[in-house]
Amino acid sequence: NAGVTQTPKFQVLKTGQSMTLQCAQDMNHNSMYWYRQDPGMGLRLIYYSASEGTTDKGEVPNGYNVSRLNKREFSLRLESAAPSQTSVYFCASSGDRGFQPQHFGDGTRLSIL
Amino acid sequence: AQSVTQLDSQVPVFEEAPVELRCNYSSSVSVYLFWYVQYPNQGLQLLLKYLSGSTLVESINGFEAEFNKSQTSFHLRKPSVHISDTAEYFCAAVSGAGSYQLTFGKGTKLSVIP
Repeated sequence: NAGVTQTPKFQVLKTGQSMTLQCAQDMNHNSMYWYRQDPGMGLRLIYYSASEGTTDKGEVPNGYNVSRLNKREFSLRLESAAPSQTSVYFCASSGDRGFQPQHFGDGTRLSIL
Repeated sequence: AQSVTQLDSQVPVFEEAPVELRCNYSSSVSVYLFWYVQYPNQGLQLLLKYLSGSTLVESINGFEAEFNKSQTSFHLRKPSVHISDTAEYFCAAVSGAGSYQLTFGKGTKLSVIP
């Protein structure tokens, strides 16, 4: 079972560049999430999608956009990367229309120079 | 807004010794509580959760946590740790049913010493 798959695993960008982080889950889950993890900060919610076709802002949405392409896929886009967006990004999913992400991907380590 | 405090950033403990990882939350109104574990270079895994009912909840690998409303705490315990328990543990909370805004603590790194 693949679970939640994130691509790429590592990426280095220059300030101002754009990129899209991909996430796919094969568990037929309704809810999907994007978090960022910074040292000593725990995880902070960027965006979430309660179901296909819906997205909502989390705690730290500025500088990001998301697309729930279909039930399986939920992408995160940085339109103009900034050094403050250097972080580890995690995608997660949940089978219930609830609040606790149950399955996480292994993360994308993003550095912005 | 809910806030979560994990009182210890690092906890070293010898193998087979007991351990307690402490977690306090800010509001006890309709609060739901969770512990997650993160092994190196991996995503988080849901360890256990308290939604309602019995205040003592258990995981499949020997951890347990007790919801204490009067002390606004949800401490994680294990009577005898193994090397494989070395990981970072995150406490999380959400206020109210249907809210997607899960608030995480800053994490506690558990190091089990052989």
